[in-house]
Amino acid sequence: DQQVKQNSPSLSVQEGRISILNCDYTNSMFDYFLWYKKYPAEGPTFLISISSIKDKNEDGRFTVFLNKSAKHLSLHIVPSQPGDSAVYFCAANPGDTDKLIFGTGTRLQVFP
Amino acid sequence: NAGVMQNPRHLVRRRGQEARLRCSPMKGHSHVYWYRQLPEEGLKFMVYLQKENIIDESGMPKERFSAEFPKEGPSILRIQQVVRGDSAAYFCASSPWDRGYEQYFGPGTRLTVT
Repeated sequence: DQQVKQNSPSLSVQEGRISILNCDYTNSMFDYFLWYKKYPAEGPTFLISISSIKDKNEDGRFTVFLNKSAKHLSLHIVPSQPGDSAVYFCAANPGDTDKLIFGTGTRLQVFP
Repeated sequence: NAGVMQNPRHLVRRRGQEARLRCSPMKGHSHVYWYRQLPEEGLKFMVYLQKENIIDESGMPKERFSAEFPKEGPSILRIQQVVRGDSAAYFCASSPWDRGYEQYFGPGTRLTVT
């Protein structure tokens, strides 16, 4: 029962262009959504979050969009840089407990 | 570096031995979470603790696994009588008391069972 889904296992983008990573979820009661970046042999690094009462949150080059009716969120990275190459995880918080439910990740590669 | 600390980074155990994984939260954080990542999968929640209390252990296997977060010292995830299927990366995270969803992760412990 995969409540948080990242259907694209990989994405390749040219440096300077926009990277768009997608995430779908099944539980309409999710309260918060988060994006993490993970390099090999390291722990996930928190990037940006969004409350379920908002539809957009922006932090520098990173913007997260939430479409509650479609149960879909996306992370936009503009402009993409080679250092952004990593695995990106979408995560959701159910609200009644502080645990996070993670997607399976999307591997982003930014090439020169 | 005031980040989440985990040790050891790598741990090798033979089948049947015990594994102890330690986690020190970020300064000022009172909540600790343990997650497990199997190869090619996302992170799976195991347990959520506050000092001296287990808040949510809905992701913990019923047998051989236990966790604690004592009043003094790090949080410990203990796996008794390890089996090959326990081989994974185990991540600890911590959060502020008022924003439990905003979790910051340690570097992980990679457990290999031979």
